[in-house]
Amino acid sequence: SQTIHQWPATLVQPVGSPLSLECTVEGTSNPNLYWYRQAAGRGLQLLFYSVGIGQISSEVPQNLSASRPQDRQFILSSKKLLLSDSGFYLCAWSDIASPQETQYFGPGTRLLVL
Amino acid sequence: AQSVAQPEDQVNVAEGNPLTVKCTYSVSGNPYLFWYVQYPNRGLQFLLKYITGDNLVKGSYGFEAEFNKSQTSFHLKKPSALVSDSALYFCAVRDIRDSSYKLIFGSGTRLLVRP
Repeated sequence: SQTIHQWPATLVQPVGSPLSLECTVEGTSNPNLYWYRQAAGRGLQLLFYSVGIGQISSEVPQNLSASRPQDRQFILSSKKLLLSDSGFYLCAWSDIASPQETQYFGPGTRLLVL
Repeated sequence: AQSVAQPEDQVNVAEGNPLTVKCTYSVSGNPYLFWYVQYPNRGLQFLLKYITGDNLVKGSYGFEAEFNKSQTSFHLKKPSALVSDSALYFCAVRDIRDSSYKLIFGSGTRLLVRP
C-alpha cells in the first residue's frame, strides 16, 4: 500500500532563516505531488504541484519554492522566512494512472515563524 | 472558474441525530467531487468521492453524499452522528476536463457533535 511521509512534524524558525520541508511517497511510482498551506486551521491554498521529476508549477507568487529531485520526493523551501509563512503545510499525492485521481494527504508540518 | 462553497462555518448536532454538511460547486464541465475530514493537527483523510454513476455515494465511517446536478450540490450526510465525528470537513471539486489535476477546496465546515 501507499504511504506518504512529511518531516519535520513541527518546526519553529526565526524570521529570515531558511526552510526545507520534505515529503516522500512510498508504494507508487510517478505520482502527482502537491504542496498546500493551511492557515488558521481552515482553508487550503495550493502552493505547488508537480507531474514529474523537475516539473514544478507554482500557483501563487510567494516567498517559497519547490523542487522534485526524485520521483517520489517533493521539497518545499525558502531562502528567508517571513512571519506570514507560518502555517500548516500539507503534502499530497495522486495517481496519474487513476482517472479519479483522489489526492491523499500526509500528516503535515506545522511551521511557526517568530 | 471552478469554485466550492461550504456555507456553514460550523454545524452542531446531538449524538444519535442525523447530520448534514452542505457543499455547492461551480465548474464549466462535469465534476469530480470529494469529501475529506481533518482531525486536529492532522492531515486530511479521504472520505468519499463522486465520479459518475449512482448519485448516492457511500464512504468511510458511515458517511454518504448525494450528488445533485441540477442544484450543483454534494451534501455530506450521516444517519446517526457520533461524538468522534467532530472534526473539520472539506468539500473539493475538479472539472474532469481540467488537465492540471488540481482540486479546488471549500473553506471547511467544523462539525461539533454533542454527547
